[in-house]
Amino acid sequence: EVQLVESGGGLVKPGGSLRLSCAVSGFSFSTYGMNWVRQAPGKGLEWVSSISGSGIYIYYADSLKGRFIISRDNAKNSLYLQMNSLRAEDTAVYYCARDTVRVLDYWGQGSLVTVSS
Amino acid sequence: QSVLTQPPSVSAAPGQKVTISCSGNSSNIGNNFVSWYQQLPGTAPKLLIYDNNKRASGIPDRFSGSKSGTSATLGITGLQTGDEADYHCGTWDSSLSAVVFGGGTKLIVL
Repeated sequence: EVQLVESGGGLVKPGGSLRLSCAVSGFSFSTYGMNWVRQAPGKGLEWVSSISGSGIYIYYADSLKGRFIISRDNAKNSLYLQMNSLRAEDTAVYYCARDTVRVLDYWGQGSLVTVSS
Repeated sequence: QSVLTQPPSVSAAPGQKVTISCSGNSSNIGNNFVSWYQQLPGTAPKLLIYDNNKRASGIPDRFSGSKSGTSATLGITGLQTGDEADYHCGTWDSSLSAVVFGGGTKLIVL
């Protein structure tokens, strides 16, 4: 059974940093691209970043470049999102999702990040 | 402001049919496959339709997808109260090198 479990969310002050993790099981992690997608309260889905199975190809939403860093550890079956210089508008539920040729076919349950003083 | 355009809400009675539109341009829907995701209240999105019209595993044939030019449509027949959810369209945008989504459509089953 495919499972994706996010962790690392919480309350952080503006300007602070946070690192999200996504632990996966049930499939060959290194052969799939992975994505982070976020959803602000009451809003639609917003794609954040994607990384190829090897970690070589990485893409970011233009609005986030320079502040967020996606990475993965295939030996640990884990995906990460390092978030720096956080702002109030980064408050959202962050989902990790498996990528099968640009189809996000499995999603985690989400991790809430709240940026507030 | 989402790259893809969806109506904020649609409604229909149980047993009826509803369609949800998703509009884009040649950089996204026009030249890439479209997926649809269902998000039940308080839960994570779930893949419903991929490659424009293929149902994901376990999805009943009441759900269908189509694409024409730079627009895509999700159809749901035999509406059930359990279908009340937010529905999101998504695709790759070749100009932005990014996954793009619509703003989501809330389906209300009256």
